[in-house]
Amino acid sequence: QKEVEQNSGPLSVPEGAIASLNCTYSDRGSQSFFWYRQYSGKSPELIMSIYSNGDKEDGRFTAQLNKASQYVSLLIRDSQPSDSATYLCAVGGGYQKVTFGIGTKLQVIP
Amino acid sequence: DVKVTQSSRYLVKRTGEKVFLECVQDMDHENMFWYRQDPGLGLRLIYFSYDVKMKEKGDIPEGYSVSREKKERFSLILESASTNQTSMYLCASSSRGGLETQYFGPGTRLLVL
Repeated sequence: QKEVEQNSGPLSVPEGAIASLNCTYSDRGSQSFFWYRQYSGKSPELIMSIYSNGDKEDGRFTAQLNKASQYVSLLIRDSQPSDSATYLCAVGGGYQKVTFGIGTKLQVIP
Repeated sequence: DVKVTQSSRYLVKRTGEKVFLECVQDMDHENMFWYRQDPGLGLRLIYFSYDVKMKEKGDIPEGYSVSREKKERFSLILESASTNQTSMYLCASSSRGGLETQYFGPGTRLLVL
């Protein structure tokens, strides 16, 4: 069974700080990595996708991938109260489906 | 703009009833998925389909079946609803390949009494 591990949180950070969300995965053959954001009562929406080792930046968000350590992270700079949500890590193996982690709940304190 | 719609936002059914949940996407995506989401358990894949009339079991297919007669439509069927199927059900679609983003519908919150 392919596994994607996340700390469920909550992770609390003050407004303006950097939030660091982490995810590990078990399948070494994984090829695609995604971060989704899910607000309470809503469906997940994609924030970032990353496919190769290193960093990928998009505005205040940076995804980091280390395939050797089977580790992917999401950094949110200048965190805002509107970033308070659950962040889902998802890992794909090249086949049609991906495996989701349970999500980390982020709370940004004003 | 990408659009995945689900037939109901909220549904209340009785134990033993047959339940149909429908999902429609307008992006011409090959792949469609049904998940359920429960607190502490995250998103779990029930079934997915990579083409019309094709289906594959996910991680928790027991008690469910699916139908995909047209490319844009993917239905989830609970043959005889049970209380442990009370959950949030999410449909998603993606273009061919597990390398692609999944786009989610708004979800159906199902309560089985």
